Amino acid sequence: QKEVEQNSGPLSVPEGAIASLNCTYSDRVSQSFFWYRQYSGKSPELIMSIYSNGDKEDGRFTAQLNKASQYVSLLIRDSQPSDSATYLCAVMGKGDSWGKLQFGAGTQVVVTP
Amino acid sequence: GAVVSQHPSRVICKSGTSVKIECRSLDFQATTMFWYRQFPKQSLMLMATSNEGSKATYEQGVEKDKFLINHASLTLSTLTVTSAHPEDSSFYICSARTGTTGELFFGEGSRLTVL
Repeated sequence: QKEVEQNSGPLSVPEGAIASLNCTYSDRVSQSFFWYRQYSGKSPELIMSIYSNGDKEDGRFTAQLNKASQYVSLLIRDSQPSDSATYLCAVMGKGDSWGKLQFGAGTQVVVTP
Repeated sequence: GAVVSQHPSRVICKSGTSVKIECRSLDFQATTMFWYRQFPKQSLMLMATSNEGSKATYEQGVEKDKFLINHASLTLSTLTVTSAHPEDSSFYICSARTGTTGELFFGEGSRLTVL
């Protein structure tokens, strides 16, 4: 069983619509959760971090965390063509050294004009 | 965000040669850096944790004698791929954390092609 699971996509989203990305994780004691965006051929770029249950908003991005369900999601509002990328969910466990992350395989998002 | 710089961005080498990749934290001190590898259309796989002033910790299945890591200062870690072979061709990415939140920032990545 993979530790961090994501739907690989591609997730096709019309421009201006909301993109909804999901991620589940297996380690119940995971503490910290991150969303990264990766353009093709580039390294990942941190978008959001979330540590407690609930929603966290930053601009057009909203991260949602539900530790009881071991589920973290990312919403992208007013999607733009520049949002087309692969979005990686990353999880850091309680026992892991700080910064040691487990990554999901990523969800490819395609925003169509 | 914090800046992590990686060099070179692209390198092509012949089979059997060694290649060194540098990773620098530009505006913060990083006692710990991480090296990841990413094959096409796959996610990032952690190779090793680089600790300043001590030996690196390698993930299971990663050959420590092949992937030499040196973290000689608080701002520099190097990865040397020794006796590179075509199957080592990949995208190598370093990362470092800053502060206590665990947020990880990545270098630009180094694309290695072994002929």
